[in-house]
Amino acid sequence: EIVMTQTPLSLSVTPGQPASISCESTQSLLYSDGKTYLYWYVQKPGQSPQLLMYEVSNRFSGVPDRFSGSGSGTYFTLKISRVEAEDVGVYYCMQTLQPPHTFGGGTKVEIK
Amino acid sequence: EVQLLESGGGLEQPGGSLRLSCAASGFTFSSYAMSWVRQAPGKGLEWVSSISDVGDGTYYRESVKGRFTISRDNSKQTLYLQMSSLRAEDTAVYYCAKVSGGPEYWGQGTLVTVSS
Repeated sequence: EIVMTQTPLSLSVTPGQPASISCESTQSLLYSDGKTYLYWYVQKPGQSPQLLMYEVSNRFSGVPDRFSGSGSGTYFTLKISRVEAEDVGVYYCMQTLQPPHTFGGGTKVEIK
Repeated sequence: EVQLLESGGGLEQPGGSLRLSCAASGFTFSSYAMSWVRQAPGKGLEWVSSISDVGDGTYYRESVKGRFTISRDNSKQTLYLQMSSLRAEDTAVYYCAKVSGGPEYWGQGTLVTVSS
């Protein structure tokens, strides 16, 4: 099983400031098709999870461009260039390279 | 607009059974794999099971193998999760998700509580 480790567990950010979340996998998420099966989700309070980034660095439809994803192999980062109040929630990385698909433990983002 | 509507959750005793359904609309259901993901109260997300677009490939996490069965009816645009031999640790909100590489759209979830 691929284990996903997220850091930090929580983040308190002043509006307008940047934020960064890391995600590390126990094996490379690069598949033979050239794609890297790493996804980022946010679960806002009281809501279902929603997709932010797919295949490391592609923003999903409607996701603001202040969100960006980077990384390769086993180390990945989600960055928010300027945090807004609506960004509060728990952020998860997920790998779908092989079953069982696994999530990171989550990073709770709060606003100062 | 993609819509996923789960139903079938509720309170069940340990050892009992439940069948969850997920009614899909707004996309060509038969062209996409689907997944179930759960979230225990106050905990993180946990993948449960996935099924291929035509239903010929199914995958489960180890803890539900032999107890849960994922299936789909493409003519009804509906995904199912048959759960049996339920345990207290199966208590969670169960989400269905449209898959495109990974879960792309999620339903609102249905709560399953296993307790005597």
